[in-house]
Amino acid sequence: GAVVSQHPSWVICKSGTSVKIECRSLDFQATTMFWYRQFPKQSLMLMATSNEGSKATYEQGVEKDKFLINHASLTLSTLTVTSAHPEDSSFYICSALDGGSSYNEQFFGPGTRLTVL
Amino acid sequence: DQQVKQNSPSLSVQEGRISILNCDYTNSMFDYFLWYKKYPAEGPTFLISISSIKDKNEDGRFTVSLNKSAKHLSLHIVPSQPGDSAVYFCAASIQGAQKLVFGQGTRLTINP
Repeated sequence: GAVVSQHPSWVICKSGTSVKIECRSLDFQATTMFWYRQFPKQSLMLMATSNEGSKATYEQGVEKDKFLINHASLTLSTLTVTSAHPEDSSFYICSALDGGSSYNEQFFGPGTRLTVL
Repeated sequence: DQQVKQNSPSLSVQEGRISILNCDYTNSMFDYFLWYKKYPAEGPTFLISISSIKDKNEDGRFTVSLNKSAKHLSLHIVPSQPGDSAVYFCAASIQGAQKLVFGQGTRLTINP
């Protein structure tokens, strides 16, 4: 149990376009989902916390107008990178909190590799 | 400000021996700690955790130890197996908060 999927697993786009990444909890309901990004050989950096039915909470330094997060249902959160630029190229990972499990047990998706040309 | 630090970017251990991965933290408010294992191009998978009310937690080949006074935790893997080769992240959180703060990761390589 506790499977989280992400789609797409990788995407290449042109500079200036927008890219949407989906994060789904497949066998549990996730009231809270998190979005991270990871640069090569670096830590996972939390970008934002997404709660179902409410606005996401962004970490300091993360542009909310650039990284749009929507958590419309208990099993789906989306991250849209708007007007992507090469510096947005990164590995984006989502995680979901299973409300029925012990606190702070986040289940991670497999990640999405974004390359902006 | 790196609140959780893994000072060894890489570690190489012979198969069958003990692997010891270390993690230090600076925020004394952290009271729950986790270790995650990550393969390339995959998301992290939960390995083991420990609450600050304990100083050790074991799960099979994996043991996490916590030294609160030193703000230090470690993960011991024994015996190490080739399948343990991965990047290991430690993470910390504050009870009641859902956010995890991750270290930079340590790449563990188990040599046959």
